[in-house]
Amino acid sequence: DSGVTQTPKHLITATGQRVTLRCSPRSGDLSVYWYQQSLDQGLQFLIQYYNGEERAKGNILERFSAQQFPDLHSELNLSSLELGDSALYFCASSSTGTSLLNEQFFGPGTRLTVL
Amino acid sequence: AQSVAQPEDQVNVAEGNPLTVKCTYSVSGNPYLFWYVQYPNRGLQFLLKYITGDNLVKGSYGFEAEFNKSQTSFHLKKPSALVSDSALYFCAVRDGVEGGKLIFGQGTELSVKP
Repeated sequence: DSGVTQTPKHLITATGQRVTLRCSPRSGDLSVYWYQQSLDQGLQFLIQYYNGEERAKGNILERFSAQQFPDLHSELNLSSLELGDSALYFCASSSTGTSLLNEQFFGPGTRLTVL
Repeated sequence: AQSVAQPEDQVNVAEGNPLTVKCTYSVSGNPYLFWYVQYPNRGLQFLLKYITGDNLVKGSYGFEAEFNKSQTSFHLKKPSALVSDSALYFCAVRDGVEGGKLIFGQGTELSVKP
């Protein structure tokens, strides 16, 4: 158990809908990263937050947004969902935002299926 | 731009034999390299990392990795494979420019047969 929790584990929804994925980092970790894993794209970085502020953005669609709250949990919002958004979404946390030395600890993921 | 490549989609090994999962990298600056393992329907688990120092890095579950600067490689190894090592293995490099995100290889499916 990495100490990173994600809810829900599974999400099935329809095209055009909006969903929210939630992540709680390990106790004391200030950085949260979101990744998407799909068969065609592999594991792709979406966005990073550090202590409530956006730190870096990757291949995140405009229909997607995220935030990190004062208690450090994070939410990834996906809207106007398309079939191609079906994927496994991972959250990871690490203790700092700038140190490259620390590994990231991954949650179990949320499997999103868009029908 | 930073990148890693895993040239093999699948590696098949007999139990008890040594295993190697290959990874090559391309970075500007110092490489910060990681190996993660993903079991079916689970998240990624950290195995080991190379930051600096010894070229042979020891990690969890008996795994080790050899860093080779001249060949820009960071191969994952284990002297004696177990059936329970069967999983998906990812090599990754930490991006020093953009917030420390991980850039992953495409993954290698390791299958260990009894």
